[in-house]
Amino acid sequence: AQSVSQHNHHVILSEAASLELGCNYSYGGTVNLFWYVQYPGQHLQLLLKYFSGDPLVKGIKGFEAEFIKSKFSFNLRKPSVQWSDTAEYFCAFGSSNTGKLIFGQGTTLQVKP
Amino acid sequence: SAVISQKPSRDICQRGTSLTIQCQVDSQVTMMFWYRQQPGQSLTLIATANQGSEATYESGFVIDKFPISRPNLTFSTLTVSNMSPEDSSIYLCSVPKDGVTGLYGYTFGSGTRLTVV
Repeated sequence: AQSVSQHNHHVILSEAASLELGCNYSYGGTVNLFWYVQYPGQHLQLLLKYFSGDPLVKGIKGFEAEFIKSKFSFNLRKPSVQWSDTAEYFCAFGSSNTGKLIFGQGTTLQVKP
Repeated sequence: SAVISQKPSRDICQRGTSLTIQCQVDSQVTMMFWYRQQPGQSLTLIATANQGSEATYESGFVIDKFPISRPNLTFSTLTVSNMSPEDSSIYLCSVPKDGVTGLYGYTFGSGTRLTVV
């Protein structure tokens, strides 16, 4: 079955700390991978996406993610977080076969000033 | 890419009643999806709305509770039937930007915030 697993449920960091959020997917075919962010009370916003090519993708707000096919992983990173990064982060994968977009459980990031 | 108009944006409904949510896309798309986001939770796929045939439901969701219509390639409705407070959620529709595979990403409706009292 297709699924996405995010390892961290709730992460608390101080400002300027480095961030890495884990994401693994379960699917044997070609996947399109996404990270979305949802700030409190707001809609989903796309951070970055991977379809093909360079497995290290850069997104908005200084975020990046690395696709490691052998590990079925697509971890999100940011070298130095800010208080404004406090939000919910969702990893998702889309199957080109079905067009479905499947979301992980989400990770709540709290950045302390 | 497609632009989606979703309505209503929010509603407060009595338990036992039904609410129909509409999504209108400004271009023809093969695939359209309906999601639910319960408070403090992630987005869960309810079903794929297929034009000209019955919707395909994910595990845990049934047609009697969430009937879906897809009369053409630009429009779909989701009905939340016989509502209970547990149905209080945000409901969203989504389409692949290329209309089919999602290769270039997805567009989401603005969501319907449903509160059942």
